[in-house]
Amino acid sequence: GAVVSQHPSRVICKSGTSVKIECRSLDFQATTMFWYRQFPKQSLMLMATSNEGSKATYEQGVEKDKFLINHASLTLSTLTVTSAHPEDSSFYICSARDGEQGENTEAFFGQGTRLTVV
Amino acid sequence: AQKVTQAQTEISVVEKEDVTLDCVYETRDTTYYLFWYKQPPSGELVFLIRRNSFDEQNEISGRYSWNFQKSTSSFNFTITASQVVDSAVYFCALSEPRSNYQLIWGAGTKLIIKP
Repeated sequence: GAVVSQHPSRVICKSGTSVKIECRSLDFQATTMFWYRQFPKQSLMLMATSNEGSKATYEQGVEKDKFLINHASLTLSTLTVTSAHPEDSSFYICSARDGEQGENTEAFFGQGTRLTVV
Repeated sequence: AQKVTQAQTEISVVEKEDVTLDCVYETRDTTYYLFWYKQPPSGELVFLIRRNSFDEQNEISGRYSWNFQKSTSSFNFTITASQVVDSAVYFCALSEPRSNYQLIWGAGTKLIIKP
């Protein structure tokens, strides 16, 4: 299957600082990327849908000023958690679809980033 | 209302036993897609299968098999001769046009295979 690389896999930051998470599609062009948050023992919660060259679409209840998403190229999307607080500690996962295969195909996932805010 | 229901929160079996993970879905679209993903303890999500609504053939891939029954809106996943490495959380998901093909996730079933 297609490869999606997410970096870093684990990050610890101080409260009040910002953290950037990168999501790259390595062998395909991803016109759409998705950012999820997963709390312990829970399912994935979609935060936002990121389209290359346009503004991200955020799900209800997700603060767009706190979770900045940039999808500047067909292979890279970034999620920046601004002014992080301990309640932002979570597992963040990105996924991407191969734009040439259509929107109803499987999404491929990055390895996830475990963010701990202290 | 839950669109994807995985009623089994956790299943524990002894190695080499067969185990079935249930998934029941709800949609009003006639064209839709169903998925299974595996999430091992490391956290990454591994794609297992995609099935479209027009293909009701059961699929077998090694020790894995899937039973798609439109009549009962179910897409169950069976692992035969389970192994310890199968221990993970398994998610069923639905993709439908009216939701812009965003993945709608079940709550997941944690599968524990004991040696």
